[in-house]
Amino acid sequence: EPEVTQTPSHQVTQMGQEVILRCVPISNHLYFYWYRQILGQKVEFLVSFYNNEISEKSEIFDDQFSVERPDGSNFTLKIRSTKLEDSAMYFCASSARVFNEQYFGPGTRLTVT
Amino acid sequence: AQTVTQSQPEMSVQEAETVTLSCTYDTSESDYYLFWYKQPPSRQMILVIRQEAYKQQNATENRFSVNFQKAAKSFSLKISDSQLGDAAMYFCAYHNNNDMRFGAGTRLTVKP
Repeated sequence: EPEVTQTPSHQVTQMGQEVILRCVPISNHLYFYWYRQILGQKVEFLVSFYNNEISEKSEIFDDQFSVERPDGSNFTLKIRSTKLEDSAMYFCASSARVFNEQYFGPGTRLTVT
Repeated sequence: AQTVTQSQPEMSVQEAETVTLSCTYDTSESDYYLFWYKQPPSRQMILVIRQEAYKQQNATENRFSVNFQKAAKSFSLKISDSQLGDAAMYFCAYHNNNDMRFGAGTRLTVKP
């Protein structure tokens, strides 16, 4: 069964550094999403992406964040200058159509020290 | 902004028994989708069940069913014949346009 993959599984970085989280969505999916989950808290929507542009973004997704689909398979989330409060689990998801089931990746745990 | 509320931070059920997890949401839209996702300790989110708001019939998926009350903006999940593998965090989610909002989650414990 096709699945969404994410790398790395765990990323440790120092405050102020840039990080890139990578996702490979399911190949025939057209809609891509990033979510984060601070430990013990609810899953929060960050951004959705369709047709090579951002469709929707939340208030969390400020100028420090950016997304890109650099080639036909990868979907990346970049945090330009990480803060301690960026420490969280980041989930990528994809769906074939906008209201279809979103398939989630296993997540990347980001630790900012 | 649409909000999703899960009023039960924790629930417990005896194996083979039935449990209902509550979810309410706030929206002014008439067309939207609702989901229940399961997050086991492995932390990967897995879809449990999906409901289209325009459908009156409640969705069912094997042992999982929902009670969708559109006027009340309520979307509860019923798990029948609970199994040890059902133990997880359960998140209710509202989906409209291109974003999705999650509730805070309910931690379900299944007692043998």
